[in-house]
Amino acid sequence: QVQLQQWGAGLLEPSETLSLTCAVYGGSFSGYYWSWIRQPPGKGLEWIGEINHSGSTNYNPSLKSRVTISVDTSKNQFSLNLSSVTAADTAVYYCAKEGGYGRFPLTDWGQGTLVTVSS
Amino acid sequence: DIQMTQSPSSLSASVGDRVTITCRASQGISNYLAWFQQKPGKAPKSLVYAASSLQSGVPSKFSGGGSGTDFTLTISSLQPEDFATYYCQQYSSYPYTFGQGTKLEIK
Repeated sequence: QVQLQQWGAGLLEPSETLSLTCAVYGGSFSGYYWSWIRQPPGKGLEWIGEINHSGSTNYNPSLKSRVTISVDTSKNQFSLNLSSVTAADTAVYYCAKEGGYGRFPLTDWGQGTLVTVSS
Repeated sequence: DIQMTQSPSSLSASVGDRVTITCRASQGISNYLAWFQQKPGKAPKSLVYAASSLQSGVPSKFSGGGSGTDFTLTISSLQPEDFATYYCQQYSSYPYTFGQGTKLEIK
């Protein structure tokens, strides 16, 4: 069974760049899209974007100007960069696996990383 | 963007009850609808995909239904471990969007 383990800096100052990485263990890395989702404290879920093993991406237009998702197939990892963060970007960030290419549901989730933006 | 609206936002029920949560999409999404369960401090857990198919390992007390714009998640014979927040999500078109959540509490 696939496991997703994520890590990254938990405390940022405004204007810095958020960087998180998610490693995939077990199962195939290719043949799927891999997503990032975030959840502000006490609020709902927001899909940030996705990438496949070839590097093809899709982003949420609300964040597209600041988001970069990248992949390292040699390590079965994918990463999220979010630039120019503000307090509104404070959230728990999750990585997740989709069931395939194109219109597949999220199936497995990482443990989540709380990122706080504060001066 | 497709807006997903869940009702109710919160729900009180007793152990042993049967409850139904609804999710409405702002436009037709066929059956590209998933349901998730989230407990405090934990990552969401996938319950249902394709509107009515259970993820592997999910007990049959959970059932999903609907197509187009209106969907339901029904939980029968509530147990203490079922009290959580439930989210629907459409994966019909980008950007994927979630409902605001339904918090299921013990009465």
